[in-house]
Amino acid sequence: NAGVTQTPKFRVLKTGQSMTLLCAQDMNHEYMYWYRQDPGMGLRLIHYSVGEGTTAKGEVPDGYNVSRLKKQNFLLGLESAAPSQTSVYFCASRSLDRAGEQYFGPGTRLTVT
Amino acid sequence: QQQVKQSPQSLIVQKGGISIINCAYENTAFDYFPWYQQFPGKGPALLIAIRPDVSEKKEGRFTISFNKSAKQFSLHIMDSQPGDSATYFCAANLRRYGNKLVFGAGTILRVKS
Repeated sequence: NAGVTQTPKFRVLKTGQSMTLLCAQDMNHEYMYWYRQDPGMGLRLIHYSVGEGTTAKGEVPDGYNVSRLKKQNFLLGLESAAPSQTSVYFCASRSLDRAGEQYFGPGTRLTVT
Repeated sequence: QQQVKQSPQSLIVQKGGISIINCAYENTAFDYFPWYQQFPGKGPALLIAIRPDVSEKKEGRFTISFNKSAKQFSLHIMDSQPGDSATYFCAANLRRYGNKLVFGAGTILRVKS
């Protein structure tokens, strides 16, 4: 049982490049979330999904897109990376009946130059 | 207001001492209050959580105190140990919007041996 895994662990992008971050969970959780973590700002919700095929915007969705084609995977895309998107990105998941108890992946450190 | 205000930003405690981290909120729609612990290079992990109809919850050396009328809650770490050195986030759950968590900005705790 690997829990929540994220790939890649590190990435450096040039401004304007695109990339996709992959999150996978093996706990059969319905809900999945993407956060970004910046110093002094806690974790801010980018997008989330309440089930396969559904996605919704969080607090800071601009510049990101997501897809949830399979229940176990949640993809975060950056179409045209900007330096302001330099951050650590975390994916999380939770089961339907455990509100507030989210399981986090190890994070992806992204630098945009 | 969907903010959760957390203090202090950083805290240094002697081994064996009590660490206290405070959080405050405005939105009465929050319905669950978890605390997360994060070690460097890792994702946050659920530490302890409380519902608003309970005034205190204790798990080992960790206690949450909850004051519903004041809209405040706090984490107490008794007999603090160097292994407790980490960043701690309080959070509040909103049943709407996919049961999303709103996080405080985090407290960096260092326990000196």
